[in-house]
Amino acid sequence: GAVVSQHPSWVICKSGTSVKIECRSLDFQATTMFWYRQFPKQSLMLMATSNEGSKATYEQGVEKDKFLINHASLTLSTLTVTSAHPEDSSFYICSARELVVYAGELFFGEGSRLTVL
Amino acid sequence: SQQGEEDPQALSIQEGENATMNCSYKTSINNLQWYRQNSGRGLVHLILIRSNEREKHSGRLRVTLDTSKKSSSLLITASRAADTASYFCATASGGGADGLTFGKGTHLIIQP
Repeated sequence: GAVVSQHPSWVICKSGTSVKIECRSLDFQATTMFWYRQFPKQSLMLMATSNEGSKATYEQGVEKDKFLINHASLTLSTLTVTSAHPEDSSFYICSARELVVYAGELFFGEGSRLTVL
Repeated sequence: SQQGEEDPQALSIQEGENATMNCSYKTSINNLQWYRQNSGRGLVHLILIRSNEREKHSGRLRVTLDTSKKSSSLLITASRAADTASYFCATASGGGADGLTFGKGTHLIIQP
């Protein structure tokens, strides 16, 4: 299957700083990328859907000014947590979809663990 | 909102036994998928079953889907210690552009 890479795997930052997480599809062009958030021992909650070259679609309750998503190319989407606070500490996972070669199958990154002090 | 609800939330069995996890959902779906997640890691896709399928096998995995009851089950036969993980069902409702909606998951522990 295809590979999706996330970077960084983990990050610790001070409250008030901004953190950028990258999601790359390594060997395919992702028409759509999805960002999920997972709190400890809980399920994945879809945050937003991004299509290359267009604005992300955010799920209800997700602040778009807080979680900035950029999908500038078919292989890269970034999630920026702006002015991070301790309650933003979580495991963020991206997934990517390609409709032709992989028939719409979703591939997940390994996740990025954010800890805000 | 959560679409899928798995039960049990946690399951502990002896190595070699079979493990069965169930998932219920609320709206109509195109397909239902099962994923495994090891602690602190990303998701591994296990199996996908389409809405017009009733049962599917992959190695030691067997998945059933009952669209009339809006439920699915995942059976892992002859469990191994390496099967210890959290298992999530996820549903897809849209035409391919939508993200998956995940259930709360079942934490499976295989005791050696």
